[in-house]
Amino acid sequence: DTEVTQTPKHLVMGMTNKKSLKCEQHMGHRAMYWYKQKAKKPPELMFVYSYEKLSINESVPSRFSPECPNSSLLNLHLHALQPEDSALYLCASSQALGTTKPNEQFFGPGTRLTVL
Amino acid sequence: EDKVVQSPLSLVVHEGDTVTLNCSYEVTNFRSLLWYKQEKKAPTFLFMLTSSGIEKKSGRLSSILDKKELFSILNITATQTGDSAIYLCAVENTGNQFYFGTGTSLTVIP
Repeated sequence: DTEVTQTPKHLVMGMTNKKSLKCEQHMGHRAMYWYKQKAKKPPELMFVYSYEKLSINESVPSRFSPECPNSSLLNLHLHALQPEDSALYLCASSQALGTTKPNEQFFGPGTRLTVL
Repeated sequence: EDKVVQSPLSLVVHEGDTVTLNCSYEVTNFRSLLWYKQEKKAPTFLFMLTSSGIEKKSGRLSSILDKKELFSILNITATQTGDSAIYLCAVENTGNQFYFGTGTSLTVIP
């Protein structure tokens, strides 16, 4: 199984809503990533988890709250978002951080988020 | 500041043409360079390059890395309309951080 799955595929939410994005992989990868991608731009790294611990937080606003309940799951909790947060949110996984070997990332299909 | 620069930003070619996409980088503690193809959704992996001068090939696509001059190229021969996509280059450093370029948008006209 070389797949990263994400749910939901599409999400429309108001600025006062609370919602969560989910990501799952069963490749035994111990590093998981959240990226945000706006139209015609490259993915921007938001968070990295390594062995279920937050390793990198790229100065993301607190209205985005990541969670890694176990080695296969990664969530992104959303609260009080702004319209400019509308984007494609991509999850990725790789073998592990700190490995001496090159570390290919596998991407999920993304969640297209629209904030009204 | 670490950065990855891709050129050209966009390219329009006819079916059957050969294209060369460029990726140059300035990343401290380089580990690997990756090429991805992105259509409407998530990037899909094409190649990972770690050593200079060794060509990686998959069908009509090939790629090579020059670690001295800090660049890579992605070649696509006999292009097809299905090759139309954004091609992303990413560089991983030894801290396992990935830096993406802005991508090259390729359009192949029948």
